[in-house]
Amino acid sequence: EADIYQTPRYLVIGTGKKITLECSQTMGHDKMYWYQQDPGMELHLIHYSYGVNSTEKGDLSSESTVSRIRTEHFPLTLESARPSHTSQYLCASSDYPGGETQYFGPGTRLLVL
Amino acid sequence: SQQGEEDPQALSIQEGENATMNCSYKTSINNLQWYRQNSGRGLVHLILIRSNEREKHSGRLRVTLDTSKKSSSLLITASRAADTASYFCATPQGGSEKLVFGKGMKLTVNP
Repeated sequence: EADIYQTPRYLVIGTGKKITLECSQTMGHDKMYWYQQDPGMELHLIHYSYGVNSTEKGDLSSESTVSRIRTEHFPLTLESARPSHTSQYLCASSDYPGGETQYFGPGTRLLVL
Repeated sequence: SQQGEEDPQALSIQEGENATMNCSYKTSINNLQWYRQNSGRGLVHLILIRSNEREKHSGRLRVTLDTSKKSSSLLITASRAADTASYFCATPQGGSEKLVFGKGMKLTVNP
């Protein structure tokens, strides 16, 4: 198991609330990623970072935002949650060049009512 | 954009049997990876095979890569109930640091 943590593991929240999903890794990895995954479906990259103060949007458009102020921390924020945001959010990190091994956290299951 | 696609999408076998999953991809790659995901959990990296390798082993796992056919296969030998999970292949996107995952294949191993 990799040393990458996500909190909360489960979150049920009402429409319009602001939420922050936490992701931390203790491996000192420069590269971090957020994926969105609906049950039984493929992963879609929504944000990534190659280091402190570096963030980029992924291939799937998302209303969420991210920040990377510290190497170990890569939180994802939704300013106003909607039912369409209901999904599983997976955080990953890597220290390998050229698109190699990524280490995943356990995920956060979000349900927006 | 989706790069890898696993086949079959679902497979159900008995404990002790072998399970084979296939992955096809579209563009040139420098490596291909296989990941496992237990229900409701994150992905776990299983094995990486580079474009200059044809076969790789790790415990009960055997991965092959055919770059001419743009395909890879993952063989799990002597399967166990604990192997029940979804399996994904992943390839780097256009030489970047990003990975593109296939849709996944659900393996059920019945005791």
